[in-house]
Order: sequence, then structure tokens, then C-alpha cells
Amino acid sequence: GEDVEQSLFLSVREGDSSVINCTYTDSSSTYLYWYKQEPGAGLQLLTYIFSNMDMKQDQRLTVLLNKKDKHLSLRIADTQTGDSAIYFCAESIGAGNNRKLIWGLGTSLAVNP
Amino acid sequence: DTEVTQTPKHLVMGMTNKKSLKCEQHMGHRAMYWYKQKAKKPPELMFVYSYEKLSINESVPSRFSPECPNSSLLNLHLHALQPEDSALYLCASSQAATGSNEQFFGPGTRLTVL
Repeated sequence: GEDVEQSLFLSVREGDSSVINCTYTDSSSTYLYWYKQEPGAGLQLLTYIFSNMDMKQDQRLTVLLNKKDKHLSLRIADTQTGDSAIYFCAESIGAGNNRKLIWGLGTSLAVNP
Repeated sequence: DTEVTQTPKHLVMGMTNKKSLKCEQHMGHRAMYWYKQKAKKPPELMFVYSYEKLSINESVPSRFSPECPNSSLLNLHLHALQPEDSALYLCASSQAATGSNEQFFGPGTRLTVL
């Protein structure tokens, strides 16, 4: 069945780069997403990547996709304390009106001053 | 307007009460979603409406009843809930259930069932 896995915790120092990793199982996934959730808040879409791309950059965020290994990563450059949050990876499965997201368990990022 | 709004922010209800959660978006999106989220867990999909028609029901108990009165509004009617239904209920919308299908989330309603 479909499954998305992430490491649960990551701790970095302010100013360092953070790399959050994700693996997925459905090779037919067309889009993969990264969401951020701060305590007590909803989910914020950070970025997404289409499966025929291997890299996407948006300001401090870089997404790398290795489709052969079904591995996705999110790199945050110059990590700030405001980046402390839970980061969820999600893959889109299904077709048409039956499309839905399969979510990883989330990686809790702690940024230490 | 790039927001999804949800009301109320907090709701406390007894197991015999009937209440409703409301969600609204004015981005012209034609797909809307209800999710349930427990603390520090990923969101769990409950329902999907596409072009105002229910397209996915993830075997949700009948004490949760969704309604999509028009393309901008989504309601979730609650009746005879159990304490284990206490959670953050999130609404999301996307342009359609096709294409890149980025989902935009509201801030959620924190529900406590006593």
C-alpha cells in the first residue's frame, strides 16, 4: 500500500542548513508536497514538486527528488528560530476526483539559538 | 483573497449536542476537504467535495455529516460525538482535484467533546 516515511526529529543550530528527508512508496505519484505546521496553527504549503523534476528552489528552500529511490528532501538554508515547526511530506495518489494526499508522520524541527 | 477561514476557532460540546463547523474560501477553488488531526500527528482525510459533489468519504462515522451548500462554503455537522472525536478539524481547498492540486488549509477548529 501507499506509505510515506520521515524521520521524527531534527535539531539544528540557528544559521545552519536543515535537511529533512522523506521516502514514499507509490511510484505513480505525480506531485509531492512539503507542508509546515507551527504549534496551534493550520498547515502551510511550503512548496511542491512535479515528479518529472529533480530539483526545485524557492528562496531558502530547495527540494530534491530522486524518483528512482523514491526519496524527497527539503533543505532550509540559514535556518532561523522561526523555522521551528513540524514539517510534513505528502504524496498525491489516485486520479481525477479521487485524488488524495498520503502524509508522512512529520519531522519536528528544533532550531537552537 | 488567498485565505481559507474556519469558524468557530474553538468548540466545546457535550455528547448529546448538535453543532456545525463552517469553512469558507473565496479563491474560486472547486475542491474542498475536511481533515481531522490529533496532536503531533498528520491530518487524516475525512471527506472531499469536488464541484460541490461528495467524491470521497473515508469511511467516516455517520455522526459526522458534511455539506457543501455552494462552491465557497463547506460545513461539517456534528451529532452525538464521542470524547475520542476531540481533535483539530481542518478545512482545505484546492483549485480542482486535478493538476498540481495544492491544498490550502484554514487555521482549524479545535473541538473538545466532554
